[in-house]
Amino acid sequence: GAVVSQHPSWVICKSGTSVKIECRSLDFQATTMFWYRQFPKQSLMLMATSNEGSKATYEQGVEKDKFLINHASLTLSTLTVTSAHPEDSSFYICSARQTVSYSNQPQHFGDGTRLSIL
Amino acid sequence: DAKTTQPTSMDCAEGRAANLPCNHSTISGNEYVYWYRQIHSQGPQYIIHGLKNNETNEMASLIITEDRKSSTLILPHATLRDTAVYYCIVRGRNTGNQFYFGTGTSLTVIP
Repeated sequence: GAVVSQHPSWVICKSGTSVKIECRSLDFQATTMFWYRQFPKQSLMLMATSNEGSKATYEQGVEKDKFLINHASLTLSTLTVTSAHPEDSSFYICSARQTVSYSNQPQHFGDGTRLSIL
Repeated sequence: DAKTTQPTSMDCAEGRAANLPCNHSTISGNEYVYWYRQIHSQGPQYIIHGLKNNETNEMASLIITEDRKSSTLILPHATLRDTAVYYCIVRGRNTGNQFYFGTGTSLTVIP
């Protein structure tokens, strides 16, 4: 149980294009999903918290107009990297937490999307 | 959320127990300790979590000291597939539920 699916797993595109990454909770509902970015040999950095039906909350230093987040249903959140440039190349990972009344439930992570901008 | 401190790297012989320590000396009463691991080029995998009692599941055991200022993740019989970066995270129940990852411990299981 508690499977999170991320798509695509790998994308290569030209500089200036926009890229959409999907994150789905397959067997549970998730009011809240999270987006992380990870550069080589570094730890995961939280980018934003995605809330179903409301605006995402971005961490300090993360451009909300650059990284558009939509959480339209309890099982799907999307991250769109707009006008991507080579410095946006990274490993993007989403996670989801099951919606339950008590909040010590762990987050479950997708397998990540490796984005390469040429 | 409380900051955690972990050794940068550790080695363990295959078949032996791997004991990964984590220091969280500023943990508060309502904060849980979570352990995840990340195998290269994959998303983090949940291992175990606890509040103050020791916990055990099919993957590992979590030992939390009585003062809750430190914990140890135990992999009872390490295999080569346990080679990964292990993250210890402390998070409270009443926060926004965010996880903030530290640098973790890179565990290498040696044949």
